[in-house]
Amino acid sequence: DARVTQTPRHKVTEMGQEVTMRCQPILGHNTVFWYRQTMMQGLELLAYFRNRAPLDDSGMPKDRFSAEMPDATLATLKIQPSEPRDSAVYFCASGLQVFSQIFGPGTRLTVL
Amino acid sequence: SQELEQSPQSLIVQEGKNLTINCTSSKTLYGLYWYKQKYGEGLIFLMMLQKGGEEKSHEKITAKLDEKKQQSSLHITASQPSHAGIYLCGADTPGGGADGLTFGKGTHLIIQP
Repeated sequence: DARVTQTPRHKVTEMGQEVTMRCQPILGHNTVFWYRQTMMQGLELLAYFRNRAPLDDSGMPKDRFSAEMPDATLATLKIQPSEPRDSAVYFCASGLQVFSQIFGPGTRLTVL
Repeated sequence: SQELEQSPQSLIVQEGKNLTINCTSSKTLYGLYWYKQKYGEGLIFLMMLQKGGEEKSHEKITAKLDEKKQQSSLHITASQPSHAGIYLCGADTPGGGADGLTFGKGTHLIIQP
């Protein structure tokens, strides 16, 4: 079974520290999405790439968040500096079309 | 922006009973997706609906999209412990289906033995 992998699965850090989350999309998928899930807001789209080019990052706080795709096998989401309100589960998903979006297992981030 | 309301927020059902989860949109739905999430895990795609009145079934789960394409329901027949989890409906963003989904806040389903 092809899977989206995310690392780390859990991250606990202190406020002000830099956090980098990584995602390996399924080989051949040309679209990569980043979502954030919290109890209050539910699941929200942060950014997405198609063919490695960023298409929309309007859901992302630009002053501290950045998303990149240095190559076809790696997508990164970085928070610098991190804040307690960033605590959430961050999901990466990849696909060719939206209904074939495959989600990774998520990175559970806790910022103290 | 499109908003999706899911009801109920949580549901406790005795094993073997039927249940229904609803998803209502503030705007016409051009693509409606149902996902299931097990606690602590990623989302698993269940079904996609696009046409008014469309109905799809997989095993004991049936999803419907109403004729006006503003409401969808997910029905589980003879529930089992394996059905427990969070069910989320997602809809195409205004930019089109391949531009990411807007999700409801989910329905937490607990199955009591």
